[in-house]
Amino acid sequence: DTGVSQNPRHKITKRGQNVTFRCDPISEHNRLYWYRQTLGQGPEFLTYFQNEAQLEKSRLLSDRFSAERPKGSFSTLEIQRTEQGDSAMYLCASSPDQQGTQYFGPGTRLTVL
Amino acid sequence: AQSVTQPDIHITVSEGASLELRCNYSYGATPYLFWYVQSPGQGLQLLLKYFSGDTLVQGIKGFEAEFKRSQSSFNLRKPSVHWSDAAEYFCAVGPSGGYNKLIFGAGTRLAVHP
Repeated sequence: DTGVSQNPRHKITKRGQNVTFRCDPISEHNRLYWYRQTLGQGPEFLTYFQNEAQLEKSRLLSDRFSAERPKGSFSTLEIQRTEQGDSAMYLCASSPDQQGTQYFGPGTRLTVL
Repeated sequence: AQSVTQPDIHITVSEGASLELRCNYSYGATPYLFWYVQSPGQGLQLLLKYFSGDTLVQGIKGFEAEFKRSQSSFNLRKPSVHWSDAAEYFCAVGPSGGYNKLIFGAGTRLAVHP
């Protein structure tokens, strides 16, 4: 069990560019979550997958955001036409079935210039 | 509305002193409750959780928390703080059973004086 991993750890981009983040959950965890954390705040829920199905999306997830989990293993979060307000830490978490504990990755810190 | 309140934004304690971090929640049903710790630039590490049963739960690093239903509280405690405990602490709630979208408080930043 190597834990949840996220890549890249840091991303600096210019406004208007597209970015993609990757999350590899703990193996055999079929639930995967994305959260966003801005400075001085707690994480806020973005979206949730059970296996490859995206079951819930927050209103925070605008049309510029898309998340996938094509084979029920790793997940990607893409932000199109980035804005300065997208600057944040993007956290991924996974959990096994029938258990409420979420295990978090180290996060991807996005800076939009 | 579902929410978590951590009244103390910043707390400073001396090394060896006791610690209590407050957490109050508003939730429609009995929730699952969690405390996570986050070191600078890092993800969140689970300290402890409450699902059901004994309302006093033990966690890692010598932390414990007590669930008080009547007060809608889940305060975190440690009898003797170590300098390495300096970090940000987040309380979170989620629906009991299965899928749980966590709702986090804004966090309490703990500083430890030598």
